[in-house]
Amino acid sequence: DTGVSQDPRHKITKRGQNVTFRCDPISEHNRLYWYRQTLGQGPEFLTYFQNEAQLEKSRLLSDRFSAERPKGSFSTLEIQRTEQGDSAMYLCASSLGQKEAFFGQGTRLTVV
Amino acid sequence: AQSVTQPDIHITVSEGASLELRCNYSYGATPYLFWYVQSPGQGLQLLLKYFSGDTLVQGIKGFEAEFKRSQSSFNLRKPSVHWSDAAEYFCAVGPSGGSYIPTFGRGTSLIVHP
Repeated sequence: DTGVSQDPRHKITKRGQNVTFRCDPISEHNRLYWYRQTLGQGPEFLTYFQNEAQLEKSRLLSDRFSAERPKGSFSTLEIQRTEQGDSAMYLCASSLGQKEAFFGQGTRLTVV
Repeated sequence: AQSVTQPDIHITVSEGASLELRCNYSYGATPYLFWYVQSPGQGLQLLLKYFSGDTLVQGIKGFEAEFKRSQSSFNLRKPSVHWSDAAEYFCAVGPSGGSYIPTFGRGTSLIVHP
């Protein structure tokens, strides 16, 4: 068990570019969550998968954001046409059923 | 909808002093409750959890928390703080019943003076 892994750890992009982040959950975990965290705030829920099904999306998730978990294992989060307001830490977490969520180290996105 | 309130944005303590971080939750049923710690630029690490049973739960790094249903609280305590405890602490209400999404408070920043 290597824990939740996120890639890349840091990403700097120009406004208007697309970016994609990857999350590899703990192998036996069926639930996967994406959160966004800005400075001085707690993690804000973006979206949640149970196996490969995306069961819930936050209103924070505009149509520029899309997430997938194609085989119920790793997940990707894509942001299209990035804006400066997208700059944040993007956190992935996984859990086994309704148990505690384990977090990755996060991807720090900076849009310039 | 579930929610979590951490009323203290910053807490400053001296090394060796005791600590209590406050957490209040709003949830219609019996909650699952968690405390996480985050160091700068890092992800969140689970300190402890409450699902059911004994309302006083022990966690890692010498932390404990007590679930008080009558007060809708889950306060985090440590009898003697170390300088390495300086970090951001988050309380969370976890999935239970029909709500599947762990919801976090805004966090409390712990500053430790030598």
